[in-house]
Amino acid sequence: KQEVTQIPAALSVPEGENLVLNCSFTDSAIYNLQWFRQDPGKGLTSLLLIQSSQREQTSGRLNASLDKSSGRSTLYIAASQPGDSATYLCAVRPSDSSYKLIFGSGTRLLVRP
Amino acid sequence: SQTIHQWPATLVQPVGSPLSLECTVEGTSNPNLYWYRQAAGRGLQLLFYSVGIGQISSEVPQNLSASRPQDRQFILSSKKLLLSDSGFYLCAWKLAGTETQYFGPGTRLLVL
Repeated sequence: KQEVTQIPAALSVPEGENLVLNCSFTDSAIYNLQWFRQDPGKGLTSLLLIQSSQREQTSGRLNASLDKSSGRSTLYIAASQPGDSATYLCAVRPSDSSYKLIFGSGTRLLVRP
Repeated sequence: SQTIHQWPATLVQPVGSPLSLECTVEGTSNPNLYWYRQAAGRGLQLLFYSVGIGQISSEVPQNLSASRPQDRQFILSSKKLLLSDSGFYLCAWKLAGTETQYFGPGTRLLVL
């Protein structure tokens, strides 16, 4: 059974710092991995999607990497800003499912001014 | 552009009462639709998935049910709510053959 874990559960950093959020999954048979952002009391917004054949994806100050064989992904945020404060969730789509995403419990990020 | 709506935004219901949450999508046709539940401090749990009108797949056995009476309408229901049904309910859609899911604003349900 696929399980997705995100550590740490919460992170507080000063503005301007570069930071890394971690995601691990137990079964390497995935089709893709996605990173989402969730603001308090709101829905999710898709940030980056990495196909299983890819190693990384970049969007602005965000860079996501994928090491499928070791079951790990990282989300790198450069030059963090207070507006980056949110919960970040990763999710994997198993290879044997055309629709299902399995989510981690998220990392709650606070960027202090 | 596409828009997804959910209502109500917040709901407080007594144990044993019925439930009806509605999700509608605008600006697209034949979307794949999802219902998720998010418990406090937890990830999202997929509840139901639909590829078309009247086609519902259930992921977790429970006292909830879903229906899709129209192409862009997805309804989550219960005949009798339990305390454990409390949570944040999210609806999402995506186009068939694509990967990105787009989420609604969510409904916060508190069962007392």
